[in-house]
Amino acid sequence: QSVLTQPPSASGTPGQRVSISCSGSSSNIGINFVYWYRQFPGTAPKPLIYRNNQRPSGVPDRFSGSKSGTSASLAISGLRSEDEADYYCAVWDDSLNGVVFGGGTKLTVL
Amino acid sequence: QVQLVQSGAEVKKPGASVKVSCKASGYTFTSQYMHWVRQAPGQGLEWMGIINPGGGYTNYAQKFQGRVTMTRDTSTNTVYMELSSLRSEDTAVYYCARGISGYAEWEYWGQGTLVTVSS
Repeated sequence: QSVLTQPPSASGTPGQRVSISCSGSSSNIGINFVYWYRQFPGTAPKPLIYRNNQRPSGVPDRFSGSKSGTSASLAISGLRSEDEADYYCAVWDDSLNGVVFGGGTKLTVL
Repeated sequence: QVQLVQSGAEVKKPGASVKVSCKASGYTFTSQYMHWVRQAPGQGLEWMGIINPGGGYTNYAQKFQGRVTMTRDTSTNTVYMELSSLRSEDTAVYYCARGISGYAEWEYWGQGTLVTVSS
């Protein structure tokens, strides 16, 4: 069981908006930056959202991140078939003195 | 351009050790921390620890303390992750990722190294 809680799956149709949640605690999300990574099968994860809501260069503005209290969420608007992937949230945990991950969410575009 | 190139796949027997390398190029090796993250087949990501290539400081996830050792060689810009007392549950892809301490921020990742533990 992961320290951060994500739904194992999410789905949507092309053009829809989907949201993936990430729930943590006061020792991680509550006080540190949240990051989101996307992973396609057989490849290394790639950054999607930095520091709660910042997009790395090259990531389209269809992707957005937010944080409130001890929870965070990733929103994807204008869903496309190529968005099918696994999505992970990650954050530094001050109590554990290390990084913790969510269990990952598999996004399916119907 | 920044590149992290990892060593090739390994097959080990239970109880053995494995040492995975990650050669960095395209930036000042000693200026950025290196994290290690692993992923068992069909499972999620798991943080193993971090090393500061500049001073050699390490910080390991509690789960791996006593079994993992991270080192670096500044003459070859390479960091190493050695995991001992291997068991079948250690079968995973091991990634190095360049980052900073105190943040889960990784822009650059190695390609991953598959370690298979099997008798």
